[in-house]
Amino acid sequence: AQSVTQLDSQVPVFEEAPVELRCNYSSSVSVYLFWYVQYPNQGLQLLLKYLSGSTLVKGINGFEAEFNKSQTSFHLRKPSVHISDTAEYFCAVTRYNQGGKLIFGQGTELSVKP
Amino acid sequence: DAGVIQSPRHEVTEMGQEVTLRCKPISGHDYLFWYRQTMMRGLELLIYFNNNVPIDDSGMPEDRFSAKMPNASFSTLKIQPSEPRDSAVYFCACSRGGGNIQYFGAGTRLSVL
Repeated sequence: AQSVTQLDSQVPVFEEAPVELRCNYSSSVSVYLFWYVQYPNQGLQLLLKYLSGSTLVKGINGFEAEFNKSQTSFHLRKPSVHISDTAEYFCAVTRYNQGGKLIFGQGTELSVKP
Repeated sequence: DAGVIQSPRHEVTEMGQEVTLRCKPISGHDYLFWYRQTMMRGLELLIYFNNNVPIDDSGMPEDRFSAKMPNASFSTLKIQPSEPRDSAVYFCACSRGGGNIQYFGAGTRLSVL
C-alpha cells in the first residue's frame, strides 16, 4: 500500500523568501504524484502533477516540484512567496491503474508573514 | 462549467438525525469521490464511483454511512443516525478517467451536536 509523509506540519516564512515543502512517499509500484492547495474554507485545487517524463514539474502560481525516484520524494518549492500563498498544502499519490484513489499526506500549513 | 457543486455548505444537526449531503459533479467526468477531512485524521477517501458504480467503499467508516450515485450528474452521502464524531468537512471530487486530476467541491461542513 502507498503512504505519504509530509515532513513539516507548519512552515512559517517571510514574504519574498523561498520555501520548500517536503513530501516523501512509499510505494512498491510506479505512482502519479500531486500537490494540492487548500485556501481557508475552500476545497482543494491542483497546484501541479507528475505523471511521467521530466522530473521537474511546474505548476500554477510559480510553484514547482521535483520528482526524485531514488529518494521517493516530491518536494514543492517556490523561489519567492507572497502573502496570498498562505494556505494548507497537500501532497498526494495514486498508483497507476488504481482508478485515481488518492492517498493524501497530513498537510503542511504555510504561513507567509509580511 | 460551474465546477463541482456541493450542498448544503453547512449543516448543523442533532445526534441521531439523518444527514444527506449532495454532490453534482462536472459534466463528462466519470469518476466521483467522497472524502472526509478532520483535524485528527486529515483527508480520508470514503468511497469512489466509476460510471455511477461504487468501486471501492473500504473507507466508509461504518454501516451508518451510505453513498449512492443514481445517475452521472448526482451523488449523495447519507449518515443515519449521525453522531458527534461525524463532525467534519465532507468533500466531493470528480475526474475524467482514473489517475487524473481530481476537481474538488467547496465542501460541506457538518456539525453534529
